[in-house]
Amino acid sequence: KQEVTQIPAALSVPEGENLVLNCSFTDSAIYNLQWFRQDPGKGLTSLLLIQSSQREQTSGRLNASLDKSSGRSTLYIAASQPGDSATYLCAVRGLDSGYALNFGKGTSLLVTP
Amino acid sequence: KAGVTQTPRYLIKTRGQQVTLSCSPISGHRSVSWYQQTPGQGLQFLFEYFSETQRNKGNFPGRFSGRQFSNSRSEMNVSTLELGDSALYLCASSLAEQVTYGYTFGSGTRLTVV
Repeated sequence: KQEVTQIPAALSVPEGENLVLNCSFTDSAIYNLQWFRQDPGKGLTSLLLIQSSQREQTSGRLNASLDKSSGRSTLYIAASQPGDSATYLCAVRGLDSGYALNFGKGTSLLVTP
Repeated sequence: KAGVTQTPRYLIKTRGQQVTLSCSPISGHRSVSWYQQTPGQGLQFLFEYFSETQRNKGNFPGRFSGRQFSNSRSEMNVSTLELGDSALYLCASSLAEQVTYGYTFGSGTRLTVV
């Protein structure tokens, strides 16, 4: 059964810092991995989708990498801003789970002015 | 382009009652999935529908059921509500049955069982 782990569970950084969020998964047989952002009490906003054949995806200040063989993905946020404060979730779509996403518990990020 | 719409946004129900939640996917999306989010368990997959057929089901009791209509709108139903069913229920839609497509989530329905 696919297990997805996100470290750290919480992170507080001053504005302007570059930061890395980590996601690891136990089964490398995946279709793709998706990073989401969730604001308190709200739904999920998709940030980046990486297919299993890709190494990385970029959107603005965000860059996500995928190392399928080692079961790891990282989300890099450049020049963090207070508006980046949210919970970041990674979700894996595995060959064994078909149409279901397996989510990590998330990293709660606080960017202080 | 309208996103995934979930109604209602908030619900308060009494233990033992039943509840129906609704989800309208993005226009053109035929796949609809449902997830339950709780502080303790995180996000857990409930079920997924494509063209009115349930293709995948998570590990939830039979009290949780769903359906999808010909216009791709979906409903999920929870019967005999328990206190532990209190959660944020999220719906997600995807463009096609191909696994390479990502998911777009709605804002969720916050269910409180008292």
